[in-house]
Amino acid sequence: SAVISQKPSRDICQRGTSLTIQCQVDSQVTMMFWYRQQPGQSLTLIATANQGSEATYESGFVIDKFPISRPNLTFSTLTVSNMSPEDSSIYLCSVEDDTGRETQYFGPGTRLLVL
Amino acid sequence: SQQGEEDPQALSIQEGENATMNCSYKTSINNLQWYRQNSGRGLVHLILIRSNEREKHSGRLRVTLDTSKKSSSLLITASRAADTASYFCATGRRGSNYKLTFGKGTLLTVNP
Repeated sequence: SAVISQKPSRDICQRGTSLTIQCQVDSQVTMMFWYRQQPGQSLTLIATANQGSEATYESGFVIDKFPISRPNLTFSTLTVSNMSPEDSSIYLCSVEDDTGRETQYFGPGTRLLVL
Repeated sequence: SQQGEEDPQALSIQEGENATMNCSYKTSINNLQWYRQNSGRGLVHLILIRSNEREKHSGRLRVTLDTSKKSSSLLITASRAADTASYFCATGRRGSNYKLTFGKGTLLTVNP
């Protein structure tokens, strides 16, 4: 299984600012995913990030608000831009099991509070 | 939109009892998975059942899948206080991009 770390683990930000969240994996993986989990809610997929190509965004999420980078097979960043209190959530990255088991391994999450 | 719907939304039991959580979904799937999340942390994969399987076991976990009813259940036997967590079902579906769609989750509290 893959071991995933995220930075920062939590942050408190002012509205109108941007925050970049980092996701580091201990092995090379093809697909990485970014999710948002609003307070008391389930996970919603923001986008899928493959190395060397543009991220694929889900309905309701746009690149201008959530730009994603995927410079190599072990790293990705998600930026939450021009934040508002509605962006207060836990943001999680995950990777797909490359052995074909169709499961995902998750990072510990970044807990974001926007004031 | 969310694919899965879990019930109950919250479940409180005593240690040693069994806990059953249900999940329903709407479209065809390739597999259904259950994940656990402790107190707003990352998710941990528990078990995967494929669309052509009806039942699967892993330790104290038992998962069933009824594709005709588009539903699944997760049974945790002989629960422990450490099982206290949120449990999510997620459906996997192959397409141009394979992805998981998560249900709303069940918050399980096991009282010592």
